Amino acid sequence: EDKVVQSPLSLVVHEGDTVTLNCSYEVTNFRSLLWYKQEKKAPTFLFMLTSSGIEKKSGRLSSILDKKELFSILNITATQTGDSAVYLCAVEARTSYGKLTFGQGTILTVHP
Amino acid sequence: EAGVAQSPRYKIIEKRQSVAFWCNPISGHATLYWYQQILGQGPKLLIQFQNNGVVDDSQLPKDRFSAERLKGVDSTLKIQPAKLEDSAVYLCASSRDREPHEQYFGPGTRLTVT
Repeated sequence: EDKVVQSPLSLVVHEGDTVTLNCSYEVTNFRSLLWYKQEKKAPTFLFMLTSSGIEKKSGRLSSILDKKELFSILNITATQTGDSAVYLCAVEARTSYGKLTFGQGTILTVHP
Repeated sequence: EAGVAQSPRYKIIEKRQSVAFWCNPISGHATLYWYQQILGQGPKLLIQFQNNGVVDDSQLPKDRFSAERLKGVDSTLKIQPAKLEDSAVYLCASSRDREPHEQYFGPGTRLTVT
């Protein structure tokens, strides 16, 4: 059974801090890893990672995948209060196209 | 482009009652997913459709949950009869059937069973 574990479960920081969120996974026949941001509504797509060592970047957010060690990190620099959310990591296997297995999420709280 | 639409946004029912949720995916997205998200957990896939066919329903509690996607567009998810443990947010998502196929989520329906 595919498994995704995120750490830490929750994190409290102040504006301007840099945070690193972790995601480790076990999946048979890995296809992709995805990061989502969830505020009080639907998860919104951040990144899809398929290749090791290639960093994806969007503004202050970046993510990288290590397929050998089976983990990914999501970095947020110069955090803002608007970054407060639950960050979800999910994996997709080649044998189950489109089916995502999610981790439990990391709750990030950014104080002014 | 318009996002994934869901209704209702909130629903409160008593246990043993029935309830139905509706989802309209992004136009042109062939694949549609229903997820259950219990408070404090990540979403769990209930059922996946490709056009109007079921791809995966291995985690759908079929004794009480049913779903359909007539004509390969809109979908409904039904619970009958509801149990207390069904209290959750029900998320619908859709994706293309070609790369990139990341999933886009609707706003969800928050179900409370009392």
